[in-house]
Amino acid sequence: DVKVTQSSRYLVKRTGEKVFLECVQDMDHENMFWYRQDPGLGLRLIYFSYDVKMKEKGDIPEGYSVSREKKERFSLILESASTNQTSMYLCASRRSNTYEQYFGPGTRLTVT
Amino acid sequence: GQQLNQSPQSMFIQEGEDVSMNCTSSSIFNTWLWYKQDPGEGPVLLIALYKAGELTSNGRLTAQFGITRKDSFLNISASIPSDVGIYFCAGHGRSNSSSGSARQLTFGSGTQLTVLP
Repeated sequence: DVKVTQSSRYLVKRTGEKVFLECVQDMDHENMFWYRQDPGLGLRLIYFSYDVKMKEKGDIPEGYSVSREKKERFSLILESASTNQTSMYLCASRRSNTYEQYFGPGTRLTVT
Repeated sequence: GQQLNQSPQSMFIQEGEDVSMNCTSSSIFNTWLWYKQDPGEGPVLLIALYKAGELTSNGRLTAQFGITRKDSFLNISASIPSDVGIYFCAGHGRSNSSSGSARQLTFGSGTQLTVLP
């Protein structure tokens, strides 16, 4: 079975803090994704990565950056957290020759 | 860009009833996926469809890829309490764009299913 894990299930940070969200997949998938999920807005793509050290902006990249130094790990970074970044963050991965994405359990981030 | 309309937004049903939900797109899709999300968890892939007209089952779940390639349906038979959750459709369609975003999924807004005992 595909397994995607995220470093924290719940996280509370203060405005202005630098926040790291980590995602690891164990199926040697080439592609990895970061989404945020908000009530009424559905899933929105923040960034994705096709390969190690490669990244592309999604629909809402402002205020975020990413890092992919190893194939199995994709990190989402909030350089200076703001209250409007309070959300559920979901990581996903997939093989490059399919559209089937597999999601992690999510990180519920609250910025106060 | 591509848009997906998922309906209904929410459903309240009695345990044992069958459930139907659907997604329609503004353009032709070549892949449809159906996910379920339990409260506080990430979405779990239920069924993947790759051919127009394809009908695929996963236990009590059956999904169909519409023949127009612009819609997909998910049916749940004999619902049970653990079917509660949000069901999402997702799809990918042909695009002339060479940008990376053209290779990503479009997600529906979800159907919130409540099963009453």
